[in-house]
Amino acid sequence: QKEVEQNSGPLSVPEGAIASLNCTYSDRGSQSFFWYRQYSGKSPELIMSIYSNGDKEDGRFTAQLNKASQYVSLLIRDSQPSDSATYLCAVKVTGNQFYFGTGTSLTVIP
Amino acid sequence: DADVTQTPRNRITKTGKRIMLECSQTKGHDRMYWYRQDPGLGLRLIYYSFDVKDINKGEISDGYSVSRQAQAKFSLSLESAIPNQTALYFCATSDWGAEDTQYFGPGTRLTVL
Repeated sequence: QKEVEQNSGPLSVPEGAIASLNCTYSDRGSQSFFWYRQYSGKSPELIMSIYSNGDKEDGRFTAQLNKASQYVSLLIRDSQPSDSATYLCAVKVTGNQFYFGTGTSLTVIP
Repeated sequence: DADVTQTPRNRITKTGKRIMLECSQTKGHDRMYWYRQDPGLGLRLIYYSFDVKDINKGEISDGYSVSRQAQAKFSLSLESAIPNQTALYFCATSDWGAEDTQYFGPGTRLTVL
């Protein structure tokens, strides 16, 4: 079982819709969770970090964490074509290592 | 200037050659990481270092070695390159605080023939 799992997609949503990206993790002791965005040929850049159960909002982005279910999600409201990218879920596990999911490819259709 | 730089950006080499990838940062971060990215496999941690005297193996360290020459410099070596080490390599840094957000360099595309 992989440490971090994501649906690879591709996920397509129309412009203005809500995109929902999901991630599960296996290490119950994990404390830190991150969502990165990666455009094709570029390096990952941080969108959101979350450490406590519940929701965390930043502009059009909302991260949701449920430690009991070992589940992290990212919602993108009012999706724009510029949001088209691969979204990587990352988890800092006990022992200070980071594990990344394989990424979900998102396409926002104008 | 970029905060995290990697050299070279692209490299083509042959099986059995020794290769060094270099990473420098001006962010003043203590923690540095090396990852490789392969299609369908995502980012996988090779080595990480929390300070100059602290080096740790990551998920896939076999076939690789690292050197932390200074707080700002972290090098990755492939002692004898093989074709399945063809990948996109990223260096990243983070501060020691609770956030532990990683900042990535632009990547090095390595091809081993």
